[in-house]
Amino acid sequence: QSALTQPPSASGSPGQSVTISCTGTSSDVGGYNYVSWYQQHPGKAPKLMIYEVSKRPSGVPDRFSGSKSGNTASLTVSGLQAEDEGDYYCSSYEGSNTVLFGGGTKLTVL
Amino acid sequence: QVQLVQSGDEVKKPGASVKVSCKASGYTFENHGISWVRQAPGQGLEWMGWISASSGNTYFAQKLQGRVTLTTDTSTNTAYMELRSLRSDDTAVYYCARDFPGWGGFDYWGQGTLVTVSS
Repeated sequence: QSALTQPPSASGSPGQSVTISCTGTSSDVGGYNYVSWYQQHPGKAPKLMIYEVSKRPSGVPDRFSGSKSGNTASLTVSGLQAEDEGDYYCSSYEGSNTVLFGGGTKLTVL
Repeated sequence: QVQLVQSGDEVKKPGASVKVSCKASGYTFENHGISWVRQAPGQGLEWMGWISASSGNTYFAQKLQGRVTLTTDTSTNTAYMELRSLRSDDTAVYYCARDFPGWGGFDYWGQGTLVTVSS
C-alpha cells in the first residue's frame, strides 16, 4: 500500500500547459478506471478536479484534463492561470475496497 | 447545496481517543458513502476508511485497522470517525468526504478538523 508516485513539483508560465504524472501499479492505477485528481490551496480542503480518469465535475474549467496510459495517470492544465497554483493529488482505487493517494505535486505558476 | 460540516478542533493526550463528527446536508444521506481522509502537517493526503451511509458497511486502510471506528446516524445525517490509542503521529487535519457512486472520487469535502496529540 505505498503511495502513488507524483513529482514533488511542477511549474509553468501563465498561458502555458503543464502535465503532472501519477504512477502506480497494475493493482491500482493500471487495473481500474478509478483515478481522480484533487486541487488543494493552503489551509483549504481538497477540491475534486477529475474523476474516473478523465471526467470533469460540473464547474471545473475545461483547461483541466485527465488521461491514463498503463500504470501512469496524468493531469494536464492548459492555459495556466495564477489561481491554478496549489497542491495537486491523485488517487486511485486499489481493489479490496481501499483507496490510495499520491504524495502530491506543488504546482507553481511562474 | 451539498455541505459537510465537521466538529471543532481537538487536543488530546497520547493514548486517548477522539471522535470527529461530519454533518451532511443538501442531499439524500443514504445515497452516498463517506470516506475519511487525514493530512499530517506539511504532508500529503492519507485515506483512512469508508462507510456506507445506507448499510453501515465499512472498509479501512490496513495500517489503521483496529484503531478506527466509522459510524453513521441516519436520523441526523451525521457520520462519525473515532480514533483510539492516539499517538503523536496521529496529529493531522481530518476530513470527511462524500463519495461519487462507486470509487470514482470524492466530490464534496468537510472543512477539516485539526486533531493535535500532545502530552
